[in-house]
Parts: sequence; C-alpha cells; structure tokens
Amino acid sequence: AQSVTQLDSHVSVSEGTPVLLRCNYSSSYSPSLFWYVQHPNKGLQLLLKYTSAATLVKGINGFEAEFKKSETSFHLTKPSAHMSDAAEYFCVVITSGTYKYIFGTGTRLKVLA
Amino acid sequence: DAGVTQSPTHLIKTRGQQVTLRCSPKSGHDTVSWYQQALGQGPQFIFQYYEEEERQRGNFPDRFSGHQFPNYSSELNVNALLLGDSALYLCASSLVEGFFTDTQYFGPGTRLTVL
Repeated sequence: AQSVTQLDSHVSVSEGTPVLLRCNYSSSYSPSLFWYVQHPNKGLQLLLKYTSAATLVKGINGFEAEFKKSETSFHLTKPSAHMSDAAEYFCVVITSGTYKYIFGTGTRLKVLA
Repeated sequence: DAGVTQSPTHLIKTRGQQVTLRCSPKSGHDTVSWYQQALGQGPQFIFQYYEEEERQRGNFPDRFSGHQFPNYSSELNVNALLLGDSALYLCASSLVEGFFTDTQYFGPGTRLTVL
C-alpha cells in the first residue's frame, strides 16, 4: 500500500534562511513523487516531480527535492525563503500502474520578516 | 492556454439535496480526476475518468458519481448531501502517456458548504 508522511505540520523560517520540508513515503513498487503548493483559497500548483530519472529534482521558484530510496524520503528544500513562499505544501506519491495521487497531510510554511 | 477551470466557485446546499460540480480540463488533456479536500487536510481521491469511463475509484460511497463528456469535460454529482460533504472539491486533468505516470494539473476548486 502506498502512503506518504509529512513529518511537520507547521514550519516557520525567517526570510532569507533555508527551507526544509520533510516527506517520507511508502510504496510497494517504484513510486513517482510530487510536491505541490497551495496558497490560501487557491488550487494546487505543481512545484516539482520525480519519475525515476535524476534523483535531485529542480522545480519552480528555486525549490528542489532529493529522492533517497534507502531512506524512503523526498524532502523539499530551498536555499533562501521569500515571503511569497508562505503557503501549504503537499507531498504526493503515486505508484506506476495506478492513477490516484496519495497526498500527505500537508505542511504549513510560515515565513517571518 | 487555459488551465483547468471549475464551476461554480462556491456553493451552499442543505442536507439531503443533490449537487453537480463541473470541470473543464487543460487544453490537450484527456483525463479528469476529482478530489475532496476537507478543511485542514490533504486532498482525498474520489475517482478518475478516462475515455468517458470511471477508471479508478477511491473510498467514497455511491452517493458520489461522475461523468465525462466527449470533449473531456467532467461532472461530479453528489446525492443526499451530508454535513460532512462540506469541503473544497478539486478537479485535476492530465494526459495519458502510455506507461508513464501522468502529471495532474489542478483547478482552483469549488467550495461546497452543506447546512
């Protein structure tokens, strides 16, 4: 069975400092993994995806994530937080051959001035 | 290039009523998925439509049904509404690419409130 665990429900960082949002997954087969961002009262926007190519994935707005099979992790990072990064972030897993995204419970990122 | 669009934006219904939500996929996409996002939670998969048929379904009762039209647009119908159906309903579209995992693009959602 597939599942994804976002280890922090809330993360606060100061503007200009690094961001780390943690995600662990469970999947019986080779997974595809995604990070989405949701700003208040908005839909979900794709940040980046991993589909068994390079393990370090670069996304939009300076975000990147590294797939670590040995640790079953797919943590999202950004070197320097911006005020506009404040939002809810979702880690998503899907196993090849199935069609439904399995979402984590989300991490709310707060960026302090 | 228009992204995924959903209508209406907001909807208020009373218990026992029926509701229909609509979704137009991103241009060039042929697959539509529906998700329910309760307040403070991650989206939960309801079902996915491809070639006008339900291809996979999540753990939702039969009160939730859908349809996909020849132009790939889709409807989500919910019968006998319960208070617990209050949520943001998200539509996502994607393009089947053989064995590759489709990337889903989400619309802004329809906020349903059941009183």
